[in-house]
Amino acid sequence: EVQLQQSGAELVKPGASVKLSCKTSGYTFSNYYMSWLKQMPGQNIEWIGNIYGGNGGTGYNQKFKGKATLTVDKSSSTAYMDLSSLTSEDSAVYFCARDCVYYGPGAYYWYFDFWGPGTMVTVSS
Amino acid sequence: DTVLTQSPALAVSPGERVTISCRASESVSTGMHWYQQKPGQQPKLLIYGASNLESGVPARFSGSGSGTDFTLTIDPVEADDTATYFCQQSWNDPRTFGGGTKLELK
Repeated sequence: EVQLQQSGAELVKPGASVKLSCKTSGYTFSNYYMSWLKQMPGQNIEWIGNIYGGNGGTGYNQKFKGKATLTVDKSSSTAYMDLSSLTSEDSAVYFCARDCVYYGPGAYYWYFDFWGPGTMVTVSS
Repeated sequence: DTVLTQSPALAVSPGERVTISCRASESVSTGMHWYQQKPGQQPKLLIYGASNLESGVPARFSGSGSGTDFTLTIDPVEADDTATYFCQQSWNDPRTFGGGTKLELK
């Protein structure tokens, strides 16, 4: 059974950084990409970026470059996301989600087949 | 970025058929996927590639569309389907989500 276990809620001060984790089990970590997503209260979901479990290769949404840094530890099948220079706009629930690919009409399509439960980050002094 | 537009809310009675629409600001081919999210939970994949039912999802759920117009259909609706439904595209970079349609049961 595929499981994604995320770290606990964080309360951090403005200007600080925080590192979130997503520990996986039930599948071969190095064969998949892992995405990170942001959901502010009552709002839309945003894709932050993804990272390949095999070699740590990354892709970022331009909006989050400089804000988020994705890394992996293959030995523990865990993905991490560092968020830096936090402001109130970074207060949100952050999800990790496994990337899955589907070969459709003439192209590959990526979607999120398993999601972690989310980590709430609150930025407040 | 590709903007996905969904109606904010719908209310239906159990046993009825409901269609939830998603319109893209530019073509996404069939790179459209649907998720269900209940309060306090993570999203759950329902449909991928516009019309493919994810394993374990009831056949009451179906998806259709291509290009810019997509539909998620639930037939018949059950009480447990109360949730917010999001569309998401992966044809254009970056991947984007619709604002969600909150489905309420009468």
